[in-house]
Order: sequence, then structure tokens, then C-alpha cells
Amino acid sequence: SQQGEEDPQALSIQEGENATMNCSYKTSINNLQWYRQNSGRGLVHLILIRSNEREKHSGRLRVTLDTSKKSSSLLITASRAADTASYFCATVVFGNEKLTFGTGTRLTIIP
Amino acid sequence: EAGVTQFPSHSVIEKGQTVTLRCDPISGHDNLYWYRRVMGKEIKFLLHFVKESKQDESGMPNNRFLAERTGGTYSTLKVQPAELEDSGVYFCASSRSRGAVYEQYFGPGTRLTVT
Repeated sequence: SQQGEEDPQALSIQEGENATMNCSYKTSINNLQWYRQNSGRGLVHLILIRSNEREKHSGRLRVTLDTSKKSSSLLITASRAADTASYFCATVVFGNEKLTFGTGTRLTIIP
Repeated sequence: EAGVTQFPSHSVIEKGQTVTLRCDPISGHDNLYWYRRVMGKEIKFLLHFVKESKQDESGMPNNRFLAERTGGTYSTLKVQPAELEDSGVYFCASSRSRGAVYEQYFGPGTRLTVT
């Protein structure tokens, strides 16, 4: 089974609206990271939240982490057309450095 | 600074042939990772180099895959012989320091199609 699963698989919203994506995972983690992938490009690191943190902000991004529910959410406020991309959560467990990715959410911002 | 680069960007080969993918990490990054995404599935870890040493190769699918990082700079990933299920996008990433809380910088990926 997958370590990370994003919900929803696809999301379309109007420009200016907020977009929320969720990620669930199965094992205890050291940290959880969110990445963005534009079509045909590599993954770009957005934000990292450690297991002892509950919320983190970076510009228009807000990430929450609930370790009791093994879930995280990524909120993008005031969306822009340039936010159109696939978003992935990735977890890192203690004693390791590899990223374990979820299946991703395809976000489309409609101008 | 220049980002992680990968070559080629696309490769189409026939089943049974050999393909070698190359990754040039960001200069000064000792850590180099390979991941791949097969169609419709999640991105999966293949292996991790620290300089020229394999730190973790638990994700390598089988012995048809060989990764090297001679001299601790660029890395190659050879698939020999290629099978249909090897088709997918192969990503390389690098990071400066050891540890789970350091950002990994990804290359654009190599799209491999085995026919």
C-alpha cells in the first residue's frame, strides 16, 4: 500500500480562489514535504514541516500536519494561473533520507 | 547556481536493449538520489549515493539496474536489458548535506519508453 495518498486526485478552481489538498500517510514520520511539478519539469520543493510542528506558512502556502490522524493539508490562497501543476506530498521516516511520495493532486486554475 | 541536469530528456528503446541515463547534480552536493515514476503510479525511490558510495539501494527493482557515481560527481543509471515495465520517468535529485530535513533538488527527469 502507498505511504502517501493525496486527495483529491484532481482539482479545478477559479483564479483567486483558495485550493486545499490533503495527504494521508501510514507510518510515523520525521517530516513531511510538499513538492510541485509543472508539466514536463522536475519537482520543486515547496515546504517542509517536521513531525513536532502543527502548522507552517510560506507566502501563499499554508501547511498543517496532524500526526495523530497521519494527515497533512496544503492550502494555496488567492490562486493564480501559474499555480496550475501537480502537487505531491512526500514523507521521510526517522533513520532514513529517502522521500516516499503520494500519488499527487493535479491542480488546474481557471483564469 | 545551475540546477540538476539529466540526459537524455527522452529515450525510446526496444525491449532487450540497453539504456544509460545520466544525472549531473548541483555542484558541491554530496548526496544524489534516483527516483522513478511509472505510468499512473507514485514516484518511488531507487537509491541514494553519498559521494561515490551507495548509501541506500533498497529501491532498486532488480539486477537489471546498475547505478554508478564514479568520482562522486555525476551519476549514471544503466538498464540492461530493458523490459516493458521499465517505462516511466526517471528523476535524479541532489542535496548538499546529510539528514532528512534537507531539501532535495530535482532534475527535469528522463522519460524512458521501452517498446
